[in-house]
Amino acid sequence: DAGVIQSPRHEVTEMGQEVTLRCKPISGHDYLFWYRQTMMRGLELLIYFNNNVPIDDSGMPEDRFSAKMPNASFSTLKIQPSEPRDSAVYFCASTTSRAADTQYFGPGTRLTVL
Amino acid sequence: KQEVTQIPAALSVPEGENLVLNCSFTDSAIYNLQWFRQDPGKGLTSLLLIQSSQREQTSGRLNASLDKSSGRSTLYIAASQPGDSATYLCAVRRNYGQNFVFGPGTRLSVLP
Repeated sequence: DAGVIQSPRHEVTEMGQEVTLRCKPISGHDYLFWYRQTMMRGLELLIYFNNNVPIDDSGMPEDRFSAKMPNASFSTLKIQPSEPRDSAVYFCASTTSRAADTQYFGPGTRLTVL
Repeated sequence: KQEVTQIPAALSVPEGENLVLNCSFTDSAIYNLQWFRQDPGKGLTSLLLIQSSQREQTSGRLNASLDKSSGRSTLYIAASQPGDSATYLCAVRRNYGQNFVFGPGTRLSVLP
Protein backbone atom coordinates (compact mmCIF):
# COMPACT_ATOMS: atom_id res chain seq x y z
CA ASP A 1 0.00 0.00 0.00
CA ALA A 2 1.21 3.54 -0.75
CA GLY A 3 0.21 4.82 2.66
CA VAL A 4 -1.71 8.02 3.27
CA ILE A 5 -1.23 10.43 0.39
CA GLN A 6 -1.44 14.19 0.80
CA SER A 7 -1.23 16.95 -1.77
CA PRO A 8 0.23 19.39 -2.27
CA ARG A 9 3.32 18.86 -0.11
CA HIS A 10 4.00 22.58 0.02
CA GLU A 11 1.66 25.48 -0.54
CA VAL A 12 2.49 29.17 -0.50
CA THR A 13 -0.37 31.60 -0.87
CA GLU A 14 -1.31 35.16 -0.11
CA MET A 15 -3.64 36.26 2.63
CA GLY A 16 -7.26 36.15 1.55
CA GLN A 17 -6.84 33.36 -0.97
CA GLU A 18 -8.66 30.04 -0.79
CA VAL A 19 -6.54 27.01 0.04
CA THR A 20 -7.55 23.38 -0.50
CA LEU A 21 -5.58 20.51 0.98
CA ARG A 22 -6.20 16.96 -0.20
CA CYS A 23 -5.89 13.54 1.40
CA LYS A 24 -6.24 9.97 0.20
CA PRO A 25 -6.45 7.53 3.14
CA ILE A 26 -5.21 3.97 3.13
CA SER A 27 -7.65 1.72 1.31
CA GLY A 28 -10.02 0.00 3.71
CA HIS A 29 -9.55 2.49 6.54
CA ASP A 30 -12.83 3.85 7.89
CA TYR A 31 -11.47 6.66 10.05
CA LEU A 32 -9.81 9.81 8.70
CA PHE A 33 -8.27 12.58 10.79
CA TRP A 34 -7.05 16.09 9.98
CA TYR A 35 -4.38 17.58 12.28
CA ARG A 36 -2.51 20.87 12.36
CA GLN A 37 1.01 21.23 13.78
CA THR A 38 2.64 24.50 14.79
CA MET A 39 5.59 25.35 17.01
CA MET A 40 3.35 27.26 19.39
CA ARG A 41 0.46 24.83 19.76
CA GLY A 42 1.97 21.48 18.82
CA LEU A 43 -0.20 18.88 17.11
CA GLU A 44 -3.92 19.53 17.28
CA LEU A 45 -6.83 17.46 16.01
CA LEU A 46 -9.07 19.55 13.76
CA ILE A 47 -11.75 17.07 12.69
CA TYR A 48 -12.24 13.37 12.14
CA PHE A 49 -14.57 11.28 9.98
CA ASN A 50 -15.93 7.78 10.36
CA ASN A 51 -17.34 6.12 7.25
CA ASN A 52 -17.22 9.51 5.47
CA VAL A 53 -19.32 11.21 8.16
CA PRO A 54 -17.83 14.03 10.30
CA ILE A 55 -17.91 12.86 13.91
CA ASP A 56 -16.13 15.61 15.83
CA ASP A 57 -15.22 19.01 14.39
CA SER A 58 -14.71 20.77 17.71
CA GLY A 59 -11.08 21.37 16.84
CA MET A 60 -11.84 23.38 13.72
CA PRO A 61 -10.65 26.85 14.65
CA GLU A 62 -13.11 29.04 12.77
CA ASP A 63 -15.80 29.07 10.12
CA ARG A 64 -13.07 29.79 7.62
CA PHE A 65 -12.12 26.12 7.90
CA SER A 66 -14.23 23.38 6.34
CA ALA A 67 -13.63 19.71 5.63
CA LYS A 68 -15.40 17.21 3.43
CA MET A 69 -15.16 13.52 2.68
CA PRO A 70 -17.26 12.82 -0.40
CA ASN A 71 -16.17 9.17 -0.56
CA ALA A 72 -14.03 6.64 1.28
CA SER A 73 -10.90 7.46 -0.71
CA PHE A 74 -10.79 11.24 -0.65
CA SER A 75 -11.02 14.15 1.76
CA THR A 76 -10.39 17.89 1.53
CA LEU A 77 -9.63 20.58 4.06
CA LYS A 78 -10.43 24.05 2.81
CA ILE A 79 -9.47 27.42 4.27
CA GLN A 80 -11.31 30.43 2.90
CA PRO A 81 -10.11 33.13 3.28
CA SER A 82 -6.63 32.18 4.46
CA GLU A 83 -4.71 34.24 7.03
CA PRO A 84 -1.01 34.31 8.00
CA ARG A 85 -1.81 32.62 11.33
CA ASP A 86 -3.03 29.58 9.39
CA SER A 87 0.58 28.86 8.41
CA ALA A 88 1.35 25.37 9.72
CA VAL A 89 1.89 21.78 8.68
CA TYR A 90 -1.41 19.99 8.11
CA PHE A 91 -1.44 16.22 8.52
CA CYS A 92 -4.00 13.67 7.45
CA ALA A 93 -4.12 10.28 9.18
CA SER A 94 -6.27 7.20 8.78
CA THR A 95 -7.00 4.04 10.67
CA THR A 96 -9.47 1.22 10.85
CA SER A 97 -11.64 0.48 13.84
CA ARG A 98 -10.01 -2.94 13.91
CA ALA A 99 -6.47 -1.52 14.17
CA ALA A 100 -6.50 -0.78 17.90
CA ASP A 101 -5.90 2.92 17.37
CA THR A 102 -2.71 2.73 15.34
CA GLN A 103 -3.03 5.84 13.21
CA TYR A 104 -1.13 6.07 9.93
CA PHE A 105 -0.01 9.58 9.10
CA GLY A 106 0.59 11.17 5.72
CA PRO A 107 3.72 13.25 5.05
CA GLY A 108 1.87 16.52 5.66
CA THR A 109 1.27 19.72 3.72
CA ARG A 110 3.37 22.71 4.73
CA LEU A 111 1.19 25.79 4.28
CA THR A 112 2.63 29.30 4.25
CA VAL A 113 0.23 32.23 4.07
CA LEU A 114 1.98 35.51 3.29
CA LYS B 1 -9.52 19.34 29.85
CA GLN B 2 -6.77 16.81 29.18
CA GLU B 3 -3.27 18.28 29.00
CA VAL B 4 -0.17 16.35 28.04
CA THR B 5 3.37 17.47 28.84
CA GLN B 6 6.72 15.97 27.98
CA ILE B 7 10.12 16.44 29.55
CA PRO B 8 12.76 17.10 28.60
CA ALA B 9 11.94 19.25 25.58
CA ALA B 10 15.27 18.31 24.02
CA LEU B 11 17.94 15.75 24.79
CA SER B 12 21.37 15.11 23.34
CA VAL B 13 23.25 11.91 24.22
CA PRO B 14 26.26 9.99 22.92
CA GLU B 15 25.64 6.79 21.01
CA GLY B 16 25.17 3.69 23.14
CA GLU B 17 23.51 5.36 26.11
CA ASN B 18 20.25 4.19 27.60
CA LEU B 19 17.72 7.00 27.97
CA VAL B 20 14.26 7.77 29.32
CA LEU B 21 11.66 10.14 27.92
CA ASN B 22 8.82 11.26 30.14
CA CYS B 23 5.16 12.00 29.43
CA SER B 24 2.57 13.30 31.92
CA PHE B 25 -1.17 13.75 31.52
CA THR B 26 -3.66 15.50 33.78
CA ASP B 27 -6.77 13.31 33.41
CA SER B 28 -6.24 9.66 34.28
CA ALA B 29 -9.48 8.60 32.55
CA ILE B 30 -7.74 7.48 29.39
CA TYR B 31 -8.48 4.68 26.97
CA ASN B 32 -4.88 4.22 25.86
CA LEU B 33 -1.56 5.98 25.40
CA GLN B 34 0.62 5.91 22.33
CA TRP B 35 4.22 6.90 21.58
CA PHE B 36 5.08 8.26 18.14
CA ARG B 37 8.26 9.15 16.34
CA GLN B 38 8.48 12.11 13.96
CA ASP B 39 11.42 12.65 11.64
CA PRO B 40 12.07 16.16 10.26
CA GLY B 41 9.66 17.00 7.45
CA LYS B 42 7.78 13.75 7.87
CA GLY B 43 4.58 12.50 9.42
CA LEU B 44 4.29 10.52 12.64
CA THR B 45 5.04 6.82 12.99
CA SER B 46 3.45 4.84 15.79
CA LEU B 47 6.00 3.09 18.00
CA LEU B 48 4.10 1.60 20.91
CA LEU B 49 0.49 1.62 22.11
CA ILE B 50 -0.43 0.82 25.71
CA GLN B 51 -4.05 0.10 26.63
CA SER B 52 -5.26 1.56 29.91
CA SER B 53 -5.33 -1.92 31.47
CA GLN B 54 -1.69 -2.59 30.58
CA ARG B 55 1.46 -1.59 32.44
CA GLU B 56 4.01 -1.73 29.63
CA GLN B 57 4.75 -2.63 26.04
CA THR B 58 8.04 -3.58 24.41
CA SER B 59 9.29 -3.49 20.85
CA GLY B 60 12.94 -4.21 20.21
CA ARG B 61 15.06 -1.65 22.07
CA LEU B 62 11.98 0.33 23.09
CA ASN B 63 9.98 -0.14 26.26
CA ALA B 64 7.02 2.02 27.26
CA SER B 65 5.43 1.96 30.69
CA LEU B 66 2.14 3.40 31.90
CA ASP B 67 1.09 4.43 35.41
CA LYS B 68 -2.43 5.62 34.83
CA SER B 69 -3.18 6.55 38.42
CA SER B 70 -0.27 8.97 38.57
CA GLY B 71 -0.75 10.21 35.00
CA ARG B 72 2.68 9.19 33.77
CA SER B 73 4.32 7.22 31.01
CA THR B 74 7.95 6.66 30.16
CA LEU B 75 9.64 5.59 26.96
CA TYR B 76 12.91 3.77 27.55
CA ILE B 77 15.36 3.48 24.67
CA ALA B 78 18.20 1.02 25.17
CA ALA B 79 21.61 1.31 23.51
CA SER B 80 20.72 4.44 21.58
CA GLN B 81 21.86 4.85 17.96
CA PRO B 82 22.21 7.90 15.70
CA GLY B 83 19.23 6.58 13.73
CA ASP B 84 17.10 7.13 16.84
CA SER B 85 17.47 10.89 16.40
CA ALA B 86 13.96 12.29 15.96
CA THR B 87 11.15 13.95 17.90
CA TYR B 88 9.18 11.61 20.14
CA LEU B 89 5.56 12.46 20.95
CA CYS B 90 3.15 10.82 23.32
CA ALA B 91 -0.59 10.97 22.84
CA VAL B 92 -3.50 9.92 25.05
CA ARG B 93 -6.90 8.85 23.87
CA ARG B 94 -9.89 9.68 26.03
CA ASN B 95 -12.45 7.12 27.12
CA TYR B 96 -14.90 8.33 24.50
CA GLY B 97 -14.52 9.16 20.88
CA GLN B 98 -11.38 8.81 18.81
CA ASN B 99 -9.77 12.05 19.96
CA PHE B 100 -6.10 11.98 20.77
CA VAL B 101 -4.35 14.72 22.75
CA PHE B 102 -0.68 15.05 21.88
CA GLY B 103 2.23 16.23 23.97
CA PRO B 104 4.69 18.81 22.60
CA GLY B 105 7.38 16.20 21.99
CA THR B 106 10.98 15.57 23.03
CA ARG B 107 13.62 16.28 20.39
CA LEU B 108 16.32 13.59 20.69
CA SER B 109 19.78 13.80 19.17
CA VAL B 110 22.06 10.76 19.42
CA LEU B 111 25.62 11.72 18.60
CA PRO B 112 27.94 9.21 16.89
